[in-house]
Amino acid sequence: QLQVQGSGPGLLMPSETLSLTCTVSGASISSRNYYWGWIRQPPGKGLQWIGAIYYSGSTYYNPSLKSRVTLSVDTSKNQFSLKLTSVTAADTAVYYCPRYIGSDGAFDVWDQGTMVTVSS
Amino acid sequence: QSALTQPASVSGSPGQSITISCTGTSGDIGSYTFVSWYQHHPGKAPRLIIYEVSKRPSGVSNRFSASKSGNTASLTISGLLAEDEADYYCCSYGGTSILGVFGGGTKLTVL
Repeated sequence: QLQVQGSGPGLLMPSETLSLTCTVSGASISSRNYYWGWIRQPPGKGLQWIGAIYYSGSTYYNPSLKSRVTLSVDTSKNQFSLKLTSVTAADTAVYYCPRYIGSDGAFDVWDQGTMVTVSS
Repeated sequence: QSALTQPASVSGSPGQSITISCTGTSGDIGSYTFVSWYQHHPGKAPRLIIYEVSKRPSGVSNRFSASKSGNTASLTISGLLAEDEADYYCCSYGGTSILGVFGGGTKLTVL
């Protein structure tokens, strides 16, 4: 059964770079038709799509975050990663790394999320 | 790309039906069938309950149904159960390279 699990530091200082990794188990990250996404939820707010990556390395970004976001994939480790630069308190959120089915246009498998707090 | 518009909250009694609307634009909901809905119990992983406007993934109760008309999508939950109390989010494909535009979420309270 496919599972995704995000990991990374839970506390950052303003201006630092947020780095999260998502490990895929139970299936190959190189499976066609599947994209690997990042979504976040600030405290008390709704979900915001950050971006997604295909196993080939093709990337898709939310225009509002594109200038600060870099996604990468490591097929040998079955992992994909998020880097968000110059973080501020506004980047405090739970970060999810769901799978996106290209033919269905939906995020079907989610992790429980990784809480990241930006504070001095 | 602006967020989709959902009511902040809805409520209903057990056994009743409720409908949550999700309004977008001709650039997202109005142009694509990639509209999905998610149920989110706080502290847990969001759960896909509807994809491609009205399709249910395996294992999702048929009490959940959805549709779309123009720029607005709707989710209906019939025969409300206490366990349906959660936050619900709609999501649409947003055009080239924009895989997900989310609504602000609707908190469902089962009275």
